[in-house]
Amino acid sequence: EPEVTQTPSHQVTQMGQEVILRCVPISNHLYFYWYRQILGQKVEFLVSFYNNEISEKSEIFDDQFSVERPDGSNFTLKIRSTKLEDSAMYFCASSRTSLTEAFFGQGTRLTVV
Amino acid sequence: DAKTTQPPSMDCAEGRAANLPCNHSTISGNEYVYWYRQIHSQGPQYIIHGLKNNETNEMASLIITEDRKSSTLILPHATLRDTAVYYCIVGTFFGGATNKLIFGTGTLLAVQP
Repeated sequence: EPEVTQTPSHQVTQMGQEVILRCVPISNHLYFYWYRQILGQKVEFLVSFYNNEISEKSEIFDDQFSVERPDGSNFTLKIRSTKLEDSAMYFCASSRTSLTEAFFGQGTRLTVV
Repeated sequence: DAKTTQPPSMDCAEGRAANLPCNHSTISGNEYVYWYRQIHSQGPQYIIHGLKNNETNEMASLIITEDRKSSTLILPHATLRDTAVYYCIVGTFFGGATNKLIFGTGTLLAVQP
């Protein structure tokens, strides 16, 4: 069964550093998403991406964050100048259309120290 | 905020049917009901969705009331591996813009041996 893969599974970074979280969505999917989940809290929407541009973003997704689809297979989330409060699980998801179900990756646990 | 109300937790005996309720009294005519689950901080997993008709797939059944103000997810024969947080989500995903999912706190289903 096709799946969304995320790397790395765990990333530790120092406060103020930049991190790039990587995702390989399912190959025939057209919609891509990032969500995050701070430990013990809800899963929160960050951004959706369609047709090579951001289609919607949440208030969390400020100038510190950016997304990119650098080639036909990868989808990345860049966090500049990380803060302690950026520590969370980050989930990538993809869907074939806007009406079909989203498939989530297993997440990257980001720890900012 | 999420537009659904779910009990915070439920227990179910292994092998029995698990019936998870969800209230969505403010649902509008073009909004779908989606169910996802999250097993121990893994990525959320799609279960089923519906608009107004009852739906069944290999994982579960979804029963939507005639007035669409509530629904029930049924796991016909719960196993220990079904222990997870179950999320009921409503949303309109037409127009190709996005498939943003707004997660609430969900129901923690504990399947007991």
